[in-house]
Amino acid sequence: GAGVSQSPSNKVTEKGKDVELRCDPISGHTALYWYRQSLGQGLEFLIYFQGNSAPDKSGLPSDRFSAERTGGSVSTLTIQRTQQEDSAVYLCASSSPGLAGGTDTGELFFGEGSRLTVL
Amino acid sequence: AQSVSQHNHHVILSEAASLELGCNYSYGGTVNLFWYVQYPGQHLQLLLKYFSGDPLVKGIKGFEAEFIKSKFSFNLRKPSVQWSDTAEYFCAVNARNRDDKIIFGKGTRLHILP
Repeated sequence: GAGVSQSPSNKVTEKGKDVELRCDPISGHTALYWYRQSLGQGLEFLIYFQGNSAPDKSGLPSDRFSAERTGGSVSTLTIQRTQQEDSAVYLCASSSPGLAGGTDTGELFFGEGSRLTVL
Repeated sequence: AQSVSQHNHHVILSEAASLELGCNYSYGGTVNLFWYVQYPGQHLQLLLKYFSGDPLVKGIKGFEAEFIKSKFSFNLRKPSVQWSDTAEYFCAVNARNRDDKIIFGKGTRLHILP
């Protein structure tokens, strides 16, 4: 597709269950980001991929959170044993190498997000 | 590590008023700076960006931002706002010439009264 695609768009789960959120970036984009958006907290950085490797995982809130990216394309964010505080919109964004130097200085293109509600 | 601070969490203006949203970043090296906007019910999109050159950057819909290195600031401005500018605005930064993440501020909700 033309844009970043995320699924599911909405997910309601029970506390303690595992969830998987999927992101399909724009074709050819080497960088992929996961952010969490909740009211009053802005966009909280979670993890960032350059190709299949994750140079920075510092934003993952706990060891219940993990992410992988395969084939330099699709990424999956997994949350194990979900808690109510995990409820938020999870945003994925991708970018191609920018023009001003560096390997990732380009514009971020965001998906519509996956809204997670943990009951 | 870099960080971003947006001073105003919620701003309410009347149409035709002038707008300035504050953004300060914390990072000792060279940075790229961005403003993103999220209109109600829509996904985030780029408003403008600064990489190098002229510190006064013009973006879409009449917005501009000025990079003041000595103040570590990148404030967003618009001379005359419209009702359609109602949205949430996010300032963002990343370290230039590094494989580094893009960090966002907490956002400013702008509400324009018709």
